[in-house]
Amino acid sequence: AQTVTQSQPEMSVQEAETVTLSCTYDTSENNYYLFWYKQPPSRQMILVIRQEAYKQQNATENRFSVNFQKAAKSFSLKISDSQLGDTAMYFCAFIRGSNYKLTFGKGTLLTVNP
Amino acid sequence: EAQVTQNPRYLITVTGKKLTVTCSQNMNHEYMSWYRQDPGLGLRQIYYSMNVEVTDKGDVPEGYKVSRKEKRNFPLILESPSPNQTSLYFCASSRQGLNYGYTFGSGTRLTVV
Repeated sequence: AQTVTQSQPEMSVQEAETVTLSCTYDTSENNYYLFWYKQPPSRQMILVIRQEAYKQQNATENRFSVNFQKAAKSFSLKISDSQLGDTAMYFCAFIRGSNYKLTFGKGTLLTVNP
Repeated sequence: EAQVTQNPRYLITVTGKKLTVTCSQNMNHEYMSWYRQDPGLGLRQIYYSMNVEVTDKGDVPEGYKVSRKEKRNFPLILESPSPNQTSLYFCASSRQGLNYGYTFGSGTRLTVV
């Protein structure tokens, strides 16, 4: 079974600082993608960043970057220069090529403090 | 605007009264899926569809039905809702190609009393 584990239920960070959210996953497949989704209080699910499993280079989107360690099955999200608008629930997710099933972790609630 | 539209956004119903939550996407996506979100459990997949007339169970399908008669629509049916189906429900769609991820609707908050 494919699983996604987020070991930090809650985190907080001061505005303008950097924070890293952890995620590990388990799969026997070689063809897959990893994602981080953000869910602000509006509850909308917003795609933050994606990583292709066959690419060694870590993905970056503005202030968001990932540290993808394929052998360790680790996929952490780093948020630089945290802003108040980054306050949200963050979900790590994994999609496999065999059936397009998107599997989520339980989420990390991030609070950015002024 | 490319989007996934769910209706209603909020629904309170009584145990046993059949209901349908509609989901429609205007992006010609092949893949569609339903999730429920519960505190401390993240999002769990209920059903998914890989194309018209092709559906399969996710992780928590009990008590739910779906159909995919048209590519754009993927309704979620609760034949006899129970209080343990009180949850936040999301519909999502994706085009073919793993890297696109899924686009989500705005969610439906369902309360069964």
